[in-house]
Amino acid sequence: DTAVSQTPKYLVTQMGNDKSIKCEQNLGHDTMYWYKQDSKKFLKIMFSYNNKELIINETVPNRFSPKSPDKAHLNLHINSLELGDSAVYFCASSHGAQGAADTQYFGPGTRLTVL
Amino acid sequence: DQQVKQNSPSLSVQEGRISILNCDYTNSMFDYFLWYKKYPAEGPTFLISISSIKDKNEDGRFTVFLNKSAKHLSLHIVPSQPGDSAVYFCAARHGSSNTGKLIFGQGTTLQVKP
Repeated sequence: DTAVSQTPKYLVTQMGNDKSIKCEQNLGHDTMYWYKQDSKKFLKIMFSYNNKELIINETVPNRFSPKSPDKAHLNLHINSLELGDSAVYFCASSHGAQGAADTQYFGPGTRLTVL
Repeated sequence: DQQVKQNSPSLSVQEGRISILNCDYTNSMFDYFLWYKKYPAEGPTFLISISSIKDKNEDGRFTVFLNKSAKHLSLHIVPSQPGDSAVYFCAARHGSSNTGKLIFGQGTTLQVKP
């Protein structure tokens, strides 16, 4: 029974297309995150939502738009895909306790390839 | 400007020996540090953490050491096992952050040879 799941696992698409990646967690967590792992292998935070409210919005092109319909879901929509968007995208969730040791649980990742 | 760095991209050790993975950081405001382990085609999983008020935390075969003056932490695995072969990420959290934001290093690939 997967705690944090992402779909699809692989996504191959053409430049200029619009695509979405879905994330769901069944851990009852209040906070969810999107990370991007680029070709240099760094994992970088993109967005975070706490109880459907955006709390982290890093310097990400506005072609990327997160959507949280409820606290168990955080989807990532990408418009006008570019070659540089090719990466592995990880979703994560945590309890969201402020100032505490708040462990983040990651999904398996979505490998996006833009041709 | 990468605030968390893992300067060794890979490490190979013999089964049963000690594995030492290193991590350096530049921001003195980081107050909590974590190690994550990642197998291929899976997401990172939490391994062990340490608060900046401590200099050592141990959990079974895994020990994390923190040297705040040097802004350096290390993960020791003793004894190393083939199943420990994975990518290890160091991560840090800013003390004043109330968002849970983690800054990750680029990872070190550990290979434990039988």
